[in-house]
Amino acid sequence: GAVVSQHPSRVICKSGTSVKIECRSLDFQATTMFWYRQFPKQSLMLMATSNEGSKATYEQGVEKDKFLINHASLTLSTLTVTSAHPEDSSFYICSARDGQETQYFGPGTRLLVL
Amino acid sequence: GQQVMQIPQYQHVQEGEDFTTYCNSSTTLSNIQWYKQRPGGHPVFLIQLVKSGEVKKQKRLTFQFGEAKKNSSLHITATQTTDVGTYFCAGPRGATNKLIFGTGTLLAVQP
Repeated sequence: GAVVSQHPSRVICKSGTSVKIECRSLDFQATTMFWYRQFPKQSLMLMATSNEGSKATYEQGVEKDKFLINHASLTLSTLTVTSAHPEDSSFYICSARDGQETQYFGPGTRLLVL
Repeated sequence: GQQVMQIPQYQHVQEGEDFTTYCNSSTTLSNIQWYKQRPGGHPVFLIQLVKSGEVKKQKRLTFQFGEAKKNSSLHITATQTTDVGTYFCAGPRGATNKLIFGTGTLLAVQP
């Protein structure tokens, strides 16, 4: 099946710093990628939809200025958590849609903000 | 808004017992997808059901899509310790390509 990678897999940062997470589709082109957040023992919550070549669309309650998304190519989307705070600590997962409209999930990035 | 609920939240079974998780959507779905997330891992796609009343099998796993396309179930026959994890159903939000995930069912299997 299709492969989606994320980098880094884990990151620990100090409060107030920014963290960039990369999501790559390795063997297919993805015009659309999705970013999810998952808190412990909870379900995945969609944060935003990343569209190649255009602005991302954010879900209600997700601050676009805090979670910057850039989808510069058909294989790469980045999520930058700006001025991270402890409450932003979570598991961030991206997914990418292939031409068959199946979503493939990346391995996720665990963010811990101290 | 659109909601997708799953029951039970948690199930603990003895190895060899059967397990079923139920998924209920507040709206009709064009399709339903199932994912498995191992502890510490990420969701892995299992299957997609599209047709009303559809039943699909993958070895010991049986997936069913309700006639009204608002509910679905996943049944595991003779569970094994490798079945441990959280099972999520997910369906598209309205006519969009955005997925709404169910609340998930955590399965624990005791050897």
